[in-house]
Amino acid sequence: GENVEQHPSTLSVQEGDSAVIKCTYSDSASNYFPWYKQELGKGPQLIIDIRSNVGEKKDQRIAVTLNKTAKHFSLHITETQPEDSAVYFCAASKGGAGGTSYGKLTFGQGTILTVHP
Amino acid sequence: DAGVIQSPRHEVTEMGQEVTLRCKPISGHNSLFWYRQTMMRGLELLIYFNNNVPIDDSGMPEDRFSAKMPNASFSTLKIQPSEPRDSAVYFCASSPQGVAGYTFGSGTRLTVV
Repeated sequence: GENVEQHPSTLSVQEGDSAVIKCTYSDSASNYFPWYKQELGKGPQLIIDIRSNVGEKKDQRIAVTLNKTAKHFSLHITETQPEDSAVYFCAASKGGAGGTSYGKLTFGQGTILTVHP
Repeated sequence: DAGVIQSPRHEVTEMGQEVTLRCKPISGHNSLFWYRQTMMRGLELLIYFNNNVPIDDSGMPEDRFSAKMPNASFSTLKIQPSEPRDSAVYFCASSPQGVAGYTFGSGTRLTVV
């Protein structure tokens, strides 16, 4: 089955700096890669996602890049703010009508991001 | 929309007792997922349903765990008998059929003593 590795496990930055979290996946058939942010006491929330037919996607201060050949994807947060402090999870899925794995996400182990004021 | 609703938020029970966790997915979402989160193992998929039918329960740790989805608006995850190693946060998530993006509930923190 799919295996997703995420690095680093912890990341500490100063407010205003950029933060980068990287993930690799094992199944070349995976075609959907979301990122989730989990705050203390809450469930993970989708913040951005990318499909395998796109190399990069940006939403304000957040961007995700995908390298299908190398099977890795990254989350970039620019101009970090203290409220960005949370646990971030990457995930991978191989969607497709009729497939038993359709919609099933495999998550990375998470990155604890701390943004110091 | 109220989002995915889970109950209870917290549950403390004694070893050997039956525990039932409940989930109400977002209206119109046809896929429902149960995850378990621990520090050691991260987010693990236990089981998921599509149109109320269990599709993949390979993540259910053992026969003590069972899940049902009697209709499109309700699902339960039952542990009987519970053990201390079942202590974790259990999340329910739902998604529209055909779209992989999930919406998670707030979770149930289960403590088995």
